[in-house]
Amino acid sequence: DIQMTQSPSTLSASVGDRVTITCRASQSISAWLAWYQQKPGKAPKLLIYKASSLESGVPSRFSGSGSGTEFTLTISGLQPDDFATYYCQQYNSYSRTFGQGTKVEIK
Amino acid sequence: EVQLAESGGGLVQPGGSLRLSCAGSGFNFNGYWMTWVRQAPGKGLEWVATIRQDGSEKYYVDSVKGRFTISRDTAKTSLHLQMNNLGAEDTAVYYCARDNRLQGFDYWGQGTQVTVSS
Repeated sequence: DIQMTQSPSTLSASVGDRVTITCRASQSISAWLAWYQQKPGKAPKLLIYKASSLESGVPSRFSGSGSGTEFTLTISGLQPDDFATYYCQQYNSYSRTFGQGTKVEIK
Repeated sequence: EVQLAESGGGLVQPGGSLRLSCAGSGFNFNGYWMTWVRQAPGKGLEWVATIRQDGSEKYYVDSVKGRFTISRDTAKTSLHLQMNNLGAEDTAVYYCARDNRLQGFDYWGQGTQVTVSS
């Protein structure tokens, strides 16, 4: 099975900061990677698909990049609503593995 | 508006069974793969099972193979997860999600809590 590793596990940042989360796959997944945002007690929300495509309605401060085994999610200008946990997920194989998550906290 | 609504969660004893359901509306339910994802208390997301539009292909995470069965009722536009021989490790919020094969899981339900405890 494909393993997904996110870093860091926790990130402390201030409003207005640019933050970057990294996700690594244990084998190449081409660009079949999605990013989700989850707030406490809520269902996850799709932000980015196919590594760099922005889901409809998602603010343009969110961006994704990468291919193969290395991917990044960048938030340019962190907003109060962005403090949440972020997950990457590969959908290259039938087992849709998630990363362990990155919690973005207020500094 | 796309909506997914789970039901069927609850408290069950170890070794017991539970059947979760997910009602889909606002989209062509029979045109999409569908998936169950779970989240144990304080933990991350875990993909559980996925089913093709016509039910001809089903995939499971190793930890539930032989115990869980995913199915769908195309006439009633509903998704199901039959869970047998439940253990404490199955305690989680269970979400159903629409599996857009080219875009990941683009719509999610609100989740249903499953607690396995004596």
